[in-house]
Amino acid sequence: QLVLTQSPSASASLGASVKLTCTLSSGHSSFAIAWHQQQPETGPRFLMRLNSDGSHTKGDGIPDRFSGSSSGAERYLDITSLQSEDEADYYCQTWDTGIVLFGGGTKLTVL
Amino acid sequence: QVQLVESGGGVVQPGRSLRLSCAASGFTFSSYGFHWVRQGPGKGLEWVAVISYDGSYYSYADSVKGRFTISRDISKNTLFLQMNSLRAEDTALYYCAKDRYSGTPAPSLPDSWGQGTLVTVSS
Repeated sequence: QLVLTQSPSASASLGASVKLTCTLSSGHSSFAIAWHQQQPETGPRFLMRLNSDGSHTKGDGIPDRFSGSSSGAERYLDITSLQSEDEADYYCQTWDTGIVLFGGGTKLTVL
Repeated sequence: QVQLVESGGGVVQPGRSLRLSCAASGFTFSSYGFHWVRQGPGKGLEWVAVISYDGSYYSYADSVKGRFTISRDISKNTLFLQMNSLRAEDTALYYCAKDRYSGTPAPSLPDSWGQGTLVTVSS
């Protein structure tokens, strides 16, 4: 069964870097995912599509501070030079025949 | 630029129906598939349904299958979600989202989102 697992929370200091992780369930390590950001009280925003080989395509206007990488069944979202507006919920998302699936989300706190 | 504006939410009793709309502008509506995604109070994102650019393909989450119907009106650049037999657990903010790729037979990647419309199911 296709499942995406994310840690519920993460924190990092202003100006620092953080790596968020999304883990694909067993047997699905070749799947691409997407990362979406949801700032407080707003609709989600597409950040990027991330492939199993680590290549990624970002959405319009997404800063260079955001990048993605992959290792096996793990998909990462790297954010450098953290800013206060990066405090948000981050969701990974994938798909298979007939379904679209979101991870539970990671709440990022910028200290 | 891409704009998606949801409407039609409100308070409805269990078992009743509601139809959500999503007015789209800023791109060629007929070329893209669309998704409905919902977010319950204090919860994460839950995909609800998808429809292809030409309406020939659609799919639903198990939680709404048989109760919800997704459709589109190309003449009005509008996406719909007909929700029947509503339950308390359908209470959520409902977002429409455009798919990233044009002409995809099975859309799978929402990349532009609206601000949502709130549905509350309560007696």
